Amino acid sequence: GENVEQHPSTLSVQEGDSAVIKCTYSDSASNYFPWYKQELGKRPQLIIDIRSNVGEKKDQRIAVTLNKTAKHFSLHITETQPEDSAVYFCAASKVRGKLIFGTGTRLQVFP
Amino acid sequence: DAEITQSPRHKITETGRQVTLACHQTWNHNNMFWYRQDLGHGLRLIHYSYGVQDTNKGEVSDGYSVSRSNTEDLPLTLESAASSQTSVYFCASSARQGYEQYFGPGTRLTVT
Repeated sequence: GENVEQHPSTLSVQEGDSAVIKCTYSDSASNYFPWYKQELGKRPQLIIDIRSNVGEKKDQRIAVTLNKTAKHFSLHITETQPEDSAVYFCAASKVRGKLIFGTGTRLQVFP
Repeated sequence: DAEITQSPRHKITETGRQVTLACHQTWNHNNMFWYRQDLGHGLRLIHYSYGVQDTNKGEVSDGYSVSRSNTEDLPLTLESAASSQTSVYFCASSARQGYEQYFGPGTRLTVT
């Protein structure tokens, strides 16, 4: 069945460094790839998303890249700040499909 | 402002009791979803609906049921609560299938 693998499960970086989280999906028909940020005790919130007709998308300090051939996509956070500390989830879906989530990455940014 | 709400936010119940968690959205979204979140498992889909009178099973549907009688609400029922159903439950909605979902604030359920 459809599956999304996410790595690493935990990531610690120094403030100002970059952080990269990677996801791999199994269904080649997937065409929508959102990323969610979940702070402790809060709901997941969409921070950026990408569709399969685009290879890269940026929004200030965050960017997502997509490699359809390899079936993987990544979240890049530059100039990390303590408020970036959270759990990040990737997901994938196909047209008229359900979102399949990865298992999450706990990012800790140390001042 | 349009929003998605869940109630109760916290619930403690006993094994064997029936429990219903409410989800209400005011975006007029056709698509609604229920997830459970447990450490190490991320967000797992329980049930979902693509419109009134439509319901579908997700990957962890055993012991749960939903009904969709209007666009705004998708209540989740645990027929006979079990300790394994202790979890945080999130409801979500989306305007279009295969597009971004917006999550409710969550319900923390403890089954003793």
